[in-house]
Amino acid sequence: GENVEQHPSTLSVQEGDSAVIKCTYSDSASNYFPWYKQELGKRPQLIIDIRSNVGEKKDQRIAVTLNKTAKHFSLHITETQPEDSAVYFCAPGGYQKVTFGIGTKLQVIP
Amino acid sequence: GAGVSQSPRYKVTKRGQDVALRCDPISGHVSLYWYRQALGQGPEFLTYFNYEAQQDKSGLPNDRFSAERPEGSISTLTIQRTEQRDSAMYRCASSRWAGEVGTDTQYFGPGTRLTVL
Repeated sequence: GENVEQHPSTLSVQEGDSAVIKCTYSDSASNYFPWYKQELGKRPQLIIDIRSNVGEKKDQRIAVTLNKTAKHFSLHITETQPEDSAVYFCAPGGYQKVTFGIGTKLQVIP
Repeated sequence: GAGVSQSPRYKVTKRGQDVALRCDPISGHVSLYWYRQALGQGPEFLTYFNYEAQQDKSGLPNDRFSAERPEGSISTLTIQRTEQRDSAMYRCASSRWAGEVGTDTQYFGPGTRLTVL
């Protein structure tokens, strides 16, 4: 099955700074790379995704970059705000089971 | 429109009892997923359906766990002879279509918090 790792497991940044979370995966057949945000006590929600034919995708302050050769993709959040504080999960898909990473807890300090 | 709903939201049961957890996906969504999520962890895949067909059940922990989606809409996850280690948040998610597992946006339900005493 897919081996998925996320780094770092926790991240604290000052409001306005950037945050980067990396997800590595093992299955070269994976072709869909989403990031989900889960606020405390709430359900996971998709914030951005990318497919294997694209290297980078942006949506306002959020971007995802993909390196299929190295089998990793990253979430970039610029100009962080307190409401960005949450746990972020990657979940590469497309082969066998969907495997979520263990999550990265992001804390944005006002 | 309405999102994914799950019932009950909370379930407390005694060890050895059977429980049935229900998931009502977004109307028209073809794919439906079941996950278990422990506190502080990512969702752990259990099984998924395309329409009424169960595509993969290899994530189910053991044969006490089963799932069905008989008419391709509502799904039920059943746990027989519950044990304390089954205590967790059980979430379902649906997506419009995922020919391959997990290749479309998944919309999660609020979850059922199961506590086995």
